[in-house]
Amino acid sequence: QSVLTQPPSASGTPGQRVTISCSGSSSNIGINYAYWYQQLPGAAPKLLISRNNQRPSGVPDRFSGSKSGTSASLAISGLRSEDEADYYCAAWDDSLSGWMFGGGTKLTVL
Amino acid sequence: QVQLQQSGPGLVKPSQTLSLTCAISGDSVSSNSAAWDWIRQSPLRGLEWLGRTYYRSKWYNDYGVFVKGRITINPDTSKNQFSLQLNSVTPEDTAVYYCAREPCSGGSCYSSDTWGQGTLVTVSS
Repeated sequence: QSVLTQPPSASGTPGQRVTISCSGSSSNIGINYAYWYQQLPGAAPKLLISRNNQRPSGVPDRFSGSKSGTSASLAISGLRSEDEADYYCAAWDDSLSGWMFGGGTKLTVL
Repeated sequence: QVQLQQSGPGLVKPSQTLSLTCAISGDSVSSNSAAWDWIRQSPLRGLEWLGRTYYRSKWYNDYGVFVKGRITINPDTSKNQFSLQLNSVTPEDTAVYYCAREPCSGGSCYSSDTWGQGTLVTVSS
């Protein structure tokens, strides 16, 4: 069982806005940054959102991140078929002294 | 542009040692603005951070709680690479193993922004 909790699945139709949640605790998201990764089949995870809400160069502004308390969220607006992928949240955990990941959310574009 | 190229065997026998290497281009393993990580992914355990090595006037290592005691991560400055050794492996250590770079600045490090291509390691006799 992962330290960070995500819903196992999410779905939406093209053009819709979808949100994926990530629930942590006071030792990780509560006091540290949250990060989001996108993983396409057969590929390594790709950093999508850094430090709660920063998009690395090349990431479309359709992707946005936010954090409130011990939870974080990833929002994808204007959903496209190529957004179909697995999404993971991550945060440093001060109690465990290491990087922790969520269990992943499989996004299906209907 | 930083690139990481992994190498190592894809099959390891139970109780033996898993060894992988990650060659760095576009950055230095001795950089003061990076840490060098190993992360694995399996259907059973999901994404799991294994540990990291980094240089700040001297070499440091941090290891994940789930593999502490079995893991060693070593830098190789002559070849600009770093390695992973995981001892006493069992079938539960079967996973895709990734090396990755953690960018750091001002004394803080941030989640990995560059990943290797991944190596599927199967533990089986």
